[in-house]
Amino acid sequence: EIVLTQSPGTLSLSPGERATLSCRASQSISSNYLAWYQQKPGEAPRLLIYGASSRATDIPDRFSGSGSGTDFTLTISRLEPEDFALYYCQQYGGSPPETFGQGTKLEI
Amino acid sequence: EVQLVESGGGLVRPGGSLRLSCAASGFTFGAYTMYWVRQAPGRGLEWVSSIISSSDYIKYADSVKGRFTISRDNAKNSLYLQINSLRAEDTAIYYCARVDYYDTGYFDLWGRGTLVTVSS
Repeated sequence: EIVLTQSPGTLSLSPGERATLSCRASQSISSNYLAWYQQKPGEAPRLLIYGASSRATDIPDRFSGSGSGTDFTLTISRLEPEDFALYYCQQYGGSPPETFGQGTKLEI
Repeated sequence: EVQLVESGGGLVRPGGSLRLSCAASGFTFGAYTMYWVRQAPGRGLEWVSSIISSSDYIKYADSVKGRFTISRDNAKNSLYLQINSLRAEDTAIYYCARVDYYDTGYFDLWGRGTLVTVSS
């Protein structure tokens, strides 16, 4: 099973700043099958990025994903108030099961 | 509107059973692999079970194998999860999620979830 470790656990920033979230895998993820999700309190997760760097439909271009192999990054270029939420990475390139990271809380 | 709506959660005693449902609308439900994913209070996301479009291939997490049964009815655009022998550690919000059209494995649509609480 591929274990995903997200860092930091909590990231405290202000609107307008740049956020960099990390997701590290215990082994290489084939085909860069790595996704990022945003979750706000009381809401379902929302797909942001798939294939490590492809933005999902209707996701603003201030969100970007990068990385390969075992190290992946989600960057939010200029934080908007609505961006403060929980963020999870997920791998879907390894043998089952698909696994999630433990999450990064982005707070003001 | 493209959406998934879960129902069937509630408070149940240890050892009890529940049947969760997920109603799909706005897309061709029968074309997609579907998952159940849960989130325990204050915890992260955990894959529970999955079923391909034809129901021919089903997977379960080790933590629920033998107790949970996933099924679907494509004619009714519905996904189900029968959960038996419930334990306190099964307390969670249960989400149904749709895998992307090309079945690569990321979840492009989620429901809002249904809460299962296991307590005496």
